[in-house]
Amino acid sequence: EVQLVESGGGLVQPGGSLRLSCAASGFTFSSYEMHWVRQAPGKGLEWVSYISTSGSSIYYADSVKGRFAISRDNAKNSLFLQMNSLRAEDTAVYYCAREDDYGALYFDYWGQGTLVTVSS
Amino acid sequence: NFMLTQPHSVSESPGKTVTISCTRSSGIIASNYVQWYQQRPGSSPTTVIYEDNQRPSGVPDRFSGSIASSSNSASLTISGLKTEDEADYYCQSYDSSNHWVFGGGTKLTVL
Repeated sequence: EVQLVESGGGLVQPGGSLRLSCAASGFTFSSYEMHWVRQAPGKGLEWVSYISTSGSSIYYADSVKGRFAISRDNAKNSLFLQMNSLRAEDTAVYYCAREDDYGALYFDYWGQGTLVTVSS
Repeated sequence: NFMLTQPHSVSESPGKTVTISCTRSSGIIASNYVQWYQQRPGSSPTTVIYEDNQRPSGVPDRFSGSIASSSNSASLTISGLKTEDEADYYCQSYDSSNHWVFGGGTKLTVL
């Protein structure tokens, strides 16, 4: 069974940093491209970042570019999101999502999410 | 980059059919696949349609997807509505500038 379990969320002050983790199991993690997607309270879904299987290709939404960094450790089946210079508008549930392996460019499995609250 | 526009909300009675639209603001809707996700309150999204009109295993055939070049839009149709279908639905596609795009979401009420 595919499982994605996020952790690392919490309350942080504006300008602060936080590192999210996503533990993957039930599939060959190193063979799948991965993403972070977020959802502000009461709002819709927003794509945040992508990383290729080897980590050699990385993309970001304009709203987080230069502040967030995605990475992965295939040996530990883990995905990460380092978030710096956090702003109130970064407050959201952050989901780790697996991209399908058929090339349709969509998210076939999602984690349960971890809440990040940016507030003083 | 393009935007995907969905109605904010739709409502229909149990047993009826509802269609949710997703209009692409620029570029051709058929140039990249459209997916649809269902998100029940307090839960993570799950895929109900991928590659415009494909259903993952376990998704009932009451759910169907299509695209229309004339309106540059995609549609999710749910027939034989059940109260369990009440949820938020999001369309999603890929922007060739290496961005993934979501629609704003549609709240489906089954009353």
